[in-house]
Amino acid sequence: QSVLTQPPSVSAAPGQKVTISCSGSSSNIGNNYVSWYQQLPGTAPKLLIYENNKRPSGIPDRFSGSKSGTSATLGITGLQTGDEADYYCGTWDSSLSVSYVFGTGTKVTVL
Amino acid sequence: EVQLVQSGAEVKKPGESLKISCKGSGYSFTSYWIGWVRQMPGKGLEWMGIIYPGDSDTRYSPSFQGQVTISADKSISTAYLQWSSLKASDTAMYYCARFFIAAAGTSYYFDYWGQGTLVTVSS
Repeated sequence: QSVLTQPPSVSAAPGQKVTISCSGSSSNIGNNYVSWYQQLPGTAPKLLIYENNKRPSGIPDRFSGSKSGTSATLGITGLQTGDEADYYCGTWDSSLSVSYVFGTGTKVTVL
Repeated sequence: EVQLVQSGAEVKKPGESLKISCKGSGYSFTSYWIGWVRQMPGKGLEWMGIIYPGDSDTRYSPSFQGQVTISADKSISTAYLQWSSLKASDTAMYYCARFFIAAAGTSYYFDYWGQGTLVTVSS
């Protein structure tokens, strides 16, 4: 089971805003940058946000990230039907078992 | 353009061995870590391990240590994930991805992903 907890699902109407939380601990989010990934149905994941709030080239500014303490948040504004996907947070975990960890994943549904 | 191209889908029987591949292009293959990620049917992403093709330094998730072997052949810019004896529970999609590690050691993320290799293990 993942050490990063996300809500299983969030939903909103087109044009609205959604936020996805990612809760961790001092061994992971508390001391490392967070990244976010979007996985559209039937496709490979894609990097959406890195280093808490930076967007790779080509990612629209409708997507934003933030971090506070041991939690991180992904925000999507101006929701579009093409945003329907699974979203995962990820970060390094420096506990006894050193490794990268992904969040449990959140399904975004556009109503 | 950075690209990671994975080998095709595989159907195997329990107990068989398997090696899948991931070929990188469009960047210096020996200068970036490559990681493997498992996604079981209908489930989330799991970090399996990483390799630095420049010197073959390899790190495994405790969950996968001893269960798989990660390797790389830098002469052909290709990373591998292999099993010596497959189990039905190995049925999953496997992704390779370039794994960025910042020099300061606090920023880690997968920036480019392969298309995935579906492995089905069934008798």
